[in-house]
Amino acid sequence: GQSLEQPSEVTAVEGAIVQINCTYQTSGFYGLSWYQQHDGGAPTFLSYNALDGLEETGRFSSFLSRSDSYGYLLLQELQMKDSASYFCAVKDSGNTGKLIFGQGTTLQVKP
Amino acid sequence: DTEVTQTPKHLVMGMTNKKSLKCEQHMGHRAMYWYKQKAKKPPELMFVYSYEKLSINESVPSRFSPECPNSSLLNLHLHALQPEDSALYLCASSKPGQSQETQYFGPGTRLLVL
Repeated sequence: GQSLEQPSEVTAVEGAIVQINCTYQTSGFYGLSWYQQHDGGAPTFLSYNALDGLEETGRFSSFLSRSDSYGYLLLQELQMKDSASYFCAVKDSGNTGKLIFGQGTTLQVKP
Repeated sequence: DTEVTQTPKHLVMGMTNKKSLKCEQHMGHRAMYWYKQKAKKPPELMFVYSYEKLSINESVPSRFSPECPNSSLLNLHLHALQPEDSALYLCASSKPGQSQETQYFGPGTRLLVL
């Protein structure tokens, strides 16, 4: 089977840097995606890593280590609007298009 | 246009009602998805359509019936639902194949079954 582990909650202050980790166990691996979901809203795609290393998109970066089955999402210069749930996800090993999501990390940014 | 639209935004229905959820995208995506999401939980896949053909049914009860009339539209027909079916129903789309990790979600329909 496939499973992803991520912390359930993270709290940080405005302007700080926070890292949300995700470890995965999969029988077949294509890449790791990250999605953001605000309360009452829809998930929004943030990033995708297929290869090892760091991908940067503005204040958000995502890292992958395939050998460690580990990735993280790094949020810099935190803003109040970054308070949301963050999900890591992998594609099903059967390459069917099914995404397997982690349970989500609720990030609370405090003033 | 990178938007997926869904109607209605909210829906309240009784257990004997029949209703339909609608989803539309004009990004030329040929893979479309229905997800169900309960509060504080990740989205849970229900159906996948690839090139207008049903490719995945995650053992969803038959009271949920998907339909893909064309490459831009996806419907979910609801009949004889149970209160436990109350949830946020999300539609998503993506390019098929290697790009399926990048899915664009609609705002969802918040369904309450009484």
